[in-house]
Amino acid sequence: GAVVSQHPSRVICKSGTSVKIECRSLDFQATTMFWYRQFPKKSLMLMATSNEGSKATYEQGVEKDKFLINHASLTLSTLTVTSAHPEDSSFYICSAGLGQINSPLHFGNGTRLTVT
Amino acid sequence: DQQVKQNSPSLSVQEGRISILNCDYTNSMFDYFLWYKKYPAEGPTFLISISSIKDKNEDGRFTVFLNKSAKHLSLHIVPSQPGDSAVYFCAASFTSGTYKYIFGTGTRLKVLA
Repeated sequence: GAVVSQHPSRVICKSGTSVKIECRSLDFQATTMFWYRQFPKKSLMLMATSNEGSKATYEQGVEKDKFLINHASLTLSTLTVTSAHPEDSSFYICSAGLGQINSPLHFGNGTRLTVT
Repeated sequence: DQQVKQNSPSLSVQEGRISILNCDYTNSMFDYFLWYKKYPAEGPTFLISISSIKDKNEDGRFTVFLNKSAKHLSLHIVPSQPGDSAVYFCAASFTSGTYKYIFGTGTRLKVLA
């Protein structure tokens, strides 16, 4: 159980366009999902916490107008990178948990975004 | 300010031997710790976790040790297998919070056949 699916796995877009990444919890309901970003050879950096039915909570330094998060249902959160620039090229990963104390988060397979 | 540190960026171990991956943290409020394994272009896969009320947790070939006084945890893999070659991340969290995980920088393990 606790499968998290992320789509697309890879996307290439042109500067100035927007890209939407979907994160779904397949066999459980997730009131909270998390979006991470990984730079090459770096750690996973938490970008924002996505809460079902309410606004996302963004980490310091993350532009909420650039990285739009929508968590419209208990199984789906989306991250939209707006007006993408080459510096937004990165590996984006979502995660979700079962909402139980001391139960781990499960991660999607990530999305490799390349902005040309 | 890196609250969770993995000071060894890489480690090579012979197949069959023990792999020991280390992780240090600075925030004494962390009370839940995890290890994840990650292959390139994939999301992290959960391996094993430990609550701060324990000092050891074992699951098959994987054992996690927690030393709260030293703010240190380690992952032991024995025996190591070539398929274990990946990047390993430790993570720390507050169970009373909102699942915010702080990840270390990762250690690339290479198990040599």
